[in-house]
Amino acid sequence: AQTVTQSQPEMSVQEAETVTLSCTYDTSENNYYLFWYKQPPSRQMILVIRQEAYKQQNATENRFSVNFQKAAKSFSLKISDSQLGDTAMYFCAFMKHGGGTDKLIFGTGTRLQVFP
Amino acid sequence: DSGVTQTPKHLITATGQRVTLRCSPRSGDLSVYWYQQSLDQGLQFLIQYYNGEERAKGNILERFSAQQFPDLHSELNLSSLELGDSALYFCASSVGPGLGAYNEQFFGPGTRLTVL
Repeated sequence: AQTVTQSQPEMSVQEAETVTLSCTYDTSENNYYLFWYKQPPSRQMILVIRQEAYKQQNATENRFSVNFQKAAKSFSLKISDSQLGDTAMYFCAFMKHGGGTDKLIFGTGTRLQVFP
Repeated sequence: DSGVTQTPKHLITATGQRVTLRCSPRSGDLSVYWYQQSLDQGLQFLIQYYNGEERAKGNILERFSAQQFPDLHSELNLSSLELGDSALYFCASSVGPGLGAYNEQFFGPGTRLTVL
């Protein structure tokens, strides 16, 4: 069974600074996807970034980038130039490739507070 | 707006009661997923339906059941409710059944269930 671990319950960063959120996972699968989701106070789940395990290049979406270390089973999220609107819960998630289901397995989340 | 709708937004009920949560997927999406998010926790996968058929089951209690109707909307039935069932219940939808190609899951706004 796959597991996702986020060891930082809370993080804080000053506006315009850079912050890195950590995530580790455990799986015996070789093909899978990893995700970071943002959940602002509105509780809406918003996909931030996706990484395919077969791709060595780290995914980037504007101010968001990941550091994917497949051998170490590590998947961290870097937020550059932090903005007040980045304040939210961030969830790391795993999805097995194929297998008849696209179910997502989530970590317990990291609460990020961006201060002015 | 993800295009996934969930009703009701909020539900307050008493222990021992039964409730039904409703989800309408995005137009064209055939898969529906249900997730449970207890207070400040990660989302837990409950069940997936694809085109009316159950595709995968997670840690769904026997007191919970779900179905997907011919018009593709889905209902999650929770019975003999306990205090611990209080949570945010998310529905998500995607195009495919999870057979290999990546299909993004789009999340609804959730239903907040409070059991008193």
